[in-house]
Amino acid sequence: SQQGEEDPQALSIQEGENATMNCSYKTSINNLQWYRQNSGRGLVHLILIRSNEREKHSGRLRVTLDTSKKSSSLLITASRAADTASYFCATDAFPQGAQKLVFGQGTRLTINP
Amino acid sequence: GAVVSQHPSRVICKSGTSVKIECRSLDFQATTMFWYRQFPKQSLMLMATSNEGSKATYEQGVEKDKFLINHASLTLSTLTVTSAHPEDSSFYICSALTTAYEQYFGPGTRLTVT
Repeated sequence: SQQGEEDPQALSIQEGENATMNCSYKTSINNLQWYRQNSGRGLVHLILIRSNEREKHSGRLRVTLDTSKKSSSLLITASRAADTASYFCATDAFPQGAQKLVFGQGTRLTINP
Repeated sequence: GAVVSQHPSRVICKSGTSVKIECRSLDFQATTMFWYRQFPKQSLMLMATSNEGSKATYEQGVEKDKFLINHASLTLSTLTVTSAHPEDSSFYICSALTTAYEQYFGPGTRLTVT
């Protein structure tokens, strides 16, 4: 079953602007991961944030995690046309060792040049 | 990062035939691999967990006799779609789990059943 819900489902912005995508989940987690998927391709792992972390950075990416609200956000700063893709959050089931990922519905991001 | 490959990338088969899809972890060993299915413009749905040396664990609603999984080595898992039908047409993606519990995904296999 899909436990993640992503918001918005689709986002279209101008190149250079920041893009923010949100993810909510329902159960306790060990980790939350964000992935990117270009149309018709596999998933690219972007970043993993553990349940005891609140914020993580990687290049132009900033991920936050609020376990009290069971939500996470992915911020892409200074967007580029190449960032156009679908972005998925994925949570793993608690307790440790299950490792099955449950994916959100995804946000389709379009960066307009 | 870790690299996972899938073969073939695209396959077209006739209804009633079987198709095998391979998933390989190229630079690491993976005792656990996962198989997902993705319909157009939808998210990934986990089909089964593939464990090296033991039987796969299937998600509810996934027919294990139709989707045969074999994880014969620490770097290879295969998914065989038996007696394929047009409704089996989909994008199949595998992933492999590292010892750090990160999942790395293959590029996917587009299956079209005519």
